[in-house]
Amino acid sequence: GNSVTQMEGPVTLSEEAFLTINCTYTATGYPSLFWYVQYPGEGLQLLLKATKADDKGSNKGFEATYRKETTSFHLEKGSVQVSDSAVYFCALFPSNTGKLIFGQGTTLQVKP
Amino acid sequence: GAVVSQHPSRVICKSGTSVKIECRSLDFQATTMFWYRQFPKQSLMLMATSNEGSKATYEQGVEKDKFLINHASLTLSTLTVTSAHPEDSSFYICSAREGYNQPQHFGDGTRLSIL
Repeated sequence: GNSVTQMEGPVTLSEEAFLTINCTYTATGYPSLFWYVQYPGEGLQLLLKATKADDKGSNKGFEATYRKETTSFHLEKGSVQVSDSAVYFCALFPSNTGKLIFGQGTTLQVKP
Repeated sequence: GAVVSQHPSRVICKSGTSVKIECRSLDFQATTMFWYRQFPKQSLMLMATSNEGSKATYEQGVEKDKFLINHASLTLSTLTVTSAHPEDSSFYICSAREGYNQPQHFGDGTRLSIL
């Protein structure tokens, strides 16, 4: 079946540190992959996406590459800020169901 | 960018009350809308999917008569929690997309507290 697995949080970093949040997936066919961010008390915002193998999604300094050979879509940022503190969700859109499947979310805490 | 507006942002009411939550797509026509429930520090649980003009499709375990969903236009869907009880207290989030392969855009959520 289709599923998404994210690294467990919380991830605690100092400002300007390098960020990696791991995401791996299981899917049939050729899914699209997404990262969403949720700030406290808010809904989800689309951060970036990739629709096919080797695509790199990027936005606001974050990036993730769709790796079909390792079934991964790891989120990275070179230098995090306190304002990046939030919960990050990796999501899979399988072409056969039309419904997003979310990972469990990873909380990022950035300290000044 | 695409915006989905959800209202109200917070509701506190007595047990037995019915509560309606609205979800509007402000700058695109949402052929499909989704309703999620999120428990503290957990991921989103899909409750139902609605296509404009059709009956909603509910996920297994979600009570249709408890959570009434209407998607009467391409820009508006509503979720009504009927005869709400404390166990219905949760964070409800709507989402909308313009087409099958288009990204889903999310509302800011509704914090429902039943006393």
